[in-house]
Amino acid sequence: EVQLVESGGGLVQPGRSLRLSCAASGFTFDDYAMHWVRQAPGKGLEWVSGISWNSGSIGYADSVKGRFTISRDNAKNSLYLQMNSLRAEDTALYYCAKDMGSGWTGYFDYWGQGTLVTVSS
Amino acid sequence: DIQMTQSPSSLSASVGDRVTITCRASQSISSYLNWYQQKPGKAPKLLIYAASSLQSGVPSRFSGSGSGTDFTLTISSLQPEDFATYYCQQSYSTPVFGQGTRLEIK
Repeated sequence: EVQLVESGGGLVQPGRSLRLSCAASGFTFDDYAMHWVRQAPGKGLEWVSGISWNSGSIGYADSVKGRFTISRDNAKNSLYLQMNSLRAEDTALYYCAKDMGSGWTGYFDYWGQGTLVTVSS
Repeated sequence: DIQMTQSPSSLSASVGDRVTITCRASQSISSYLNWYQQKPGKAPKLLIYAASSLQSGVPSRFSGSGSGTDFTLTISSLQPEDFATYYCQQSYSTPVFGQGTRLEIK
């Protein structure tokens, strides 16, 4: 059974940093691209960032480019999101999502339950 | 960026109804269009990928069609468990989601 478990969320002040983690199990992690998708309270879905199986292809939404960094450790079956210079508008539930392909199909076939990030003073 | 517009934003229907939700892209995305279902407090679930391919385990009452800029998600006979919010998403370029369609019980 595919499982994605996010962690690392919490309350953080504007301008500070936070690192999210996603622990994957139930599939061959290094065969697939992975993504972060967020959802602000009561709002829709917003893709944040994606990374191919070997970290050779990485992309970011314009809203986080230059502030967030995605990475993965295939030996640890883990995905990460380093979030710097956080803003109030980054407040959201952050989901880890598995891509259907090793490259980047953009089809998200499994999702975690999310970790909540709240940016507030 | 490619913009995705869903219609309607909300919809009331009854069990057994046939329901269609529309998604329009601001430019051609070929068949790179996916549909997700999200229930309150839950993660999204992939229903349809590549415009018309049914994800494994998804009931056959769900179907998708379209190409280019106009796409539809159809539920042939609504079941109680289908009341949820539905999102389209383009995967032609940087992924973008539609704003969602909330399907409510009439």
